[in-house]
Amino acid sequence: QTVVTQEPSFSVSPGGTVTLTCGLNSGSVSTSHYASWYQQTPGQAPRLLIYYTNTRSSGVPDRFSGSIVGNKAALTITGAQADDESDYYCVLYMSSDIWLFGGGTKLTVL
Amino acid sequence: EVQLVESGGGLVQPGGSLRVSCAASGFTFSTSWMHWVRQVPGQGLVWVSHIKNDGITTTYADSVKGRFTISRDNAKNTLYLQMNSLRVEDTAVYYCTNDAGHAFHIWGQGTVVTVSS
Repeated sequence: QTVVTQEPSFSVSPGGTVTLTCGLNSGSVSTSHYASWYQQTPGQAPRLLIYYTNTRSSGVPDRFSGSIVGNKAALTITGAQADDESDYYCVLYMSSDIWLFGGGTKLTVL
Repeated sequence: EVQLVESGGGLVQPGGSLRVSCAASGFTFSTSWMHWVRQVPGQGLVWVSHIKNDGITTTYADSVKGRFTISRDNAKNTLYLQMNSLRVEDTAVYYCTNDAGHAFHIWGQGTVVTVSS
């Protein structure tokens, strides 16, 4: 069974840089997985941040960037702000029109 | 305004059925692939199902395959999820979302489905 892996939690200082990753329990993530990233705060619907691995969605600040790092997709936040404290989810597109979410990363800014 | 509005959630007994709906506005629904995503309170997001704009091609997560049916009415700009043989573990907030580039761009506010006796 294919599982998308994310760090359960991460901490970053205000103004700092953090990279969250999104991997597969077997195999490597590539651009053909069309990795996307979402931010969710409690009680709210998710918000798309990054799609096509590295394309920012409309209105998303440029401190958010996406990439492939090694064999994983990555979301980097440069100059973290207090309101970046959220849950972050990645999604990978698999073959046969199946999408898989990672378990999410709870980001703390302190 | 680009918008998705879910409705139809509620309380249902195990083994029961429920249909949730999602009304779309502000974008060209008839050409958009659509999805349902669910989230158990306090837990992560889970992809449930997808339907292409033709209304014919559909895919499902293994956990709902054979029990849930996704459909759409392009004339009414509405997406549906028919849920049968519901289980306690199907309790969740159900979100509809559109697909562009295999990513989920627009999200509704969600509708709550509770399966309990």
